[in-house]
Amino acid sequence: GQQLNQSPQSMFIQEGEDVSMNCTSSSIFNTWLWYKQDPGEGPVLLIALYKAGELTSNGRLTAQFGITRKDSFLNISASIPSDVGIYFCAGQLSNNAGNMLTFGGGTRLMVKP
Amino acid sequence: SQTIHQWPATLVQPVGSPLSLECTVEGTSNPNLYWYRQAAGRGLQLLFYSVGIGQISSEVPQNLSASRPQDRQFILSSKKLLLSDSGFYLCAWARTLEGAQYFGPGTRLLVL
Repeated sequence: GQQLNQSPQSMFIQEGEDVSMNCTSSSIFNTWLWYKQDPGEGPVLLIALYKAGELTSNGRLTAQFGITRKDSFLNISASIPSDVGIYFCAGQLSNNAGNMLTFGGGTRLMVKP
Repeated sequence: SQTIHQWPATLVQPVGSPLSLECTVEGTSNPNLYWYRQAAGRGLQLLFYSVGIGQISSEVPQNLSASRPQDRQFILSSKKLLLSDSGFYLCAWARTLEGAQYFGPGTRLLVL
């Protein structure tokens, strides 16, 4: 089946630093999504991307839909302690009954104050 | 606005006991509904999805089952729980033909 390779698996950074994580796939996706999950809670949608090449920002977060439609990245600028959590990418294939998503394995972000 | 609820938030059950987890969505009609399981520190595994009342698709063979008795209600069940059923169960909804899925708060299940 389809797989999304998400990297890095974990990051430990200093508060104020910028963060970058990415997902790659062997398949072409028509939608890329980025979620954040806090401990013990459900994932929350951060950014949704629907067009190849699309660059979208949400506050300090910026995500891009790769031009090949096989990758996406998420950047966080000037990290703060509340950015701590697990970030998941997800992609959706075209002609997908039920609009199912394929998830990456997650990037665990830790921020040192 | 749309909201999604899951009940209960936490559950501790003995091996061999039955299970029923409930998910309800408000503020939308005819949503796609999904059940995921997440092991500790791991990614999301899709268990079931539904595109309409009474329509259930299973992604992973297991001793769990799902039902959709009403448009905005999705239930995850088991007749006899196994130790390996422990985990964090997430329900999600999506508008038909749209990509983004929106997750509920989750139910943490511990089977002893």
